[in-house]
Amino acid sequence: QLQLQESGPGLVKPSETLSLTCTVSGGSISSSDYYWGWVRQPPGKGLEWIGTIHYSGNTYYNPSLKSRVTISVDTSKNQFSLKLSSVTAADTAVYYCARHDFGLAAAPLDIWGQGTLVTVSA
Amino acid sequence: EIVMTQSPATLSVSPGERATLYCRASESVTSSLAWYQHKPGQPPRLLIYGAFTRATGIPPRFSGSGSGTEFTLTISSLQSEDFAVYYCQQYNNWPPTWTFGQGTKVEI
Repeated sequence: QLQLQESGPGLVKPSETLSLTCTVSGGSISSSDYYWGWVRQPPGKGLEWIGTIHYSGNTYYNPSLKSRVTISVDTSKNQFSLKLSSVTAADTAVYYCARHDFGLAAAPLDIWGQGTLVTVSA
Repeated sequence: EIVMTQSPATLSVSPGERATLYCRASESVTSSLAWYQHKPGQPPRLLIYGAFTRATGIPPRFSGSGSGTEFTLTISSLQSEDFAVYYCQQYNNWPPTWTFGQGTKVEI
């Protein structure tokens, strides 16, 4: 059964770079039908799509975050990663990694990690 | 950029009642719409994709309808485990982007 697990620091200082990794287990990240995405939820707010990557390296970003976001993939480790630069308190959120199934209409996020809280504070 | 608007923000219902949630897109998304259920402390759960297809393991009391700009999620008879926040999400296929609505909280 496919599982996703986020990992990374839970506390980041303002102006620094937030870095998270998602480890995929129980299946391969190198499948043409699946893309891999990041979603976040600030405290008390709704869900926000951050960006998505394919194992081939194709990436797609939320236009509102594009200038600060980099998503990469490491197929040898079955992982993909998120970097968000120049963070502020507004970037405090629970960050989820998830799988997009491009074999389904609307390419939905059908499998999710448990999420990890990242707090931006000095 | 396509904006997704959900209504109402909060829906107060009793167990056994029917709940109807709405999602409107600022422009047509054809049937490229999904619905998710989100409970505190858990990841979101995919309920519906392609506007009306239930995801694997989702009970038939959940149904989706609509196309273009107007979509509906109906829970035919609310169970205690259905009290949660529900999000719609559209998919734009080029360039690929996904946008969530702001959510509807279904409460007792």
